[in-house]
Amino acid sequence: KNEVEQSPQNLTAQEGEFITINCSYSVGISALHWLQQHPGGGIVSLFMLSSGKKKHGRLIATINIQEKHSSLHITASHPRDSAVYICAAHRMEYGNKLVFGAGTILRVKS
Amino acid sequence: GAVVSQHPSRVICKSGTSVKIECRSLDFQATTMFWYRQFPKQSLMLMATSNEGSKATYEQGVEKDKFLINHASLTLSTLTVTSAHPEDSSFYICSASRDTYGYTFGSGTRLTVV
Repeated sequence: KNEVEQSPQNLTAQEGEFITINCSYSVGISALHWLQQHPGGGIVSLFMLSSGKKKHGRLIATINIQEKHSSLHITASHPRDSAVYICAAHRMEYGNKLVFGAGTILRVKS
Repeated sequence: GAVVSQHPSRVICKSGTSVKIECRSLDFQATTMFWYRQFPKQSLMLMATSNEGSKATYEQGVEKDKFLINHASLTLSTLTVTSAHPEDSSFYICSASRDTYGYTFGSGTRLTVV
């Protein structure tokens, strides 16, 4: 079993829909990152969370430390949101290393 | 904001040659740089961690003689794929860290060995 699990693997949504991507982890972490990878391969860091909730524009990320679960929400989705979304856990005993989930491929249709 | 420049973005090389990939932090000093490899439809796999002025720490299964990493300054790390073979064809991406949790990723390099 992977230390960081994401669901769903693939997600197709209609423009305007509310989207949720989930991330569960089975190990102790000091922080969790949500990353966005565009079709060309470049990666953008969206959020870094250690507790609670963060919001940036139409993106919201939450984390529940007790349940070892994080979610990334996209409100009013748009075709330009189409990308791979990756959660990555900062392992406590691994220092600065990240452990990555497999990613969620999101396609938003117009 | 923090910017990491990775160069080249694409490279095609002949089998047996070496390829150097550069990762440069443009507006901050990176205490640590990480090199990842990504196969199609798979997530990132950490290859090695490098700190300025010291030897890189390689992950299990990564050949240090094949993937040479140099972190000569706080703003530059290089990955050299030596004696490249077709199975080394992959997407390579770096990230730079300023502090414990802050990461900035490069734009990646798509290597094709023919």
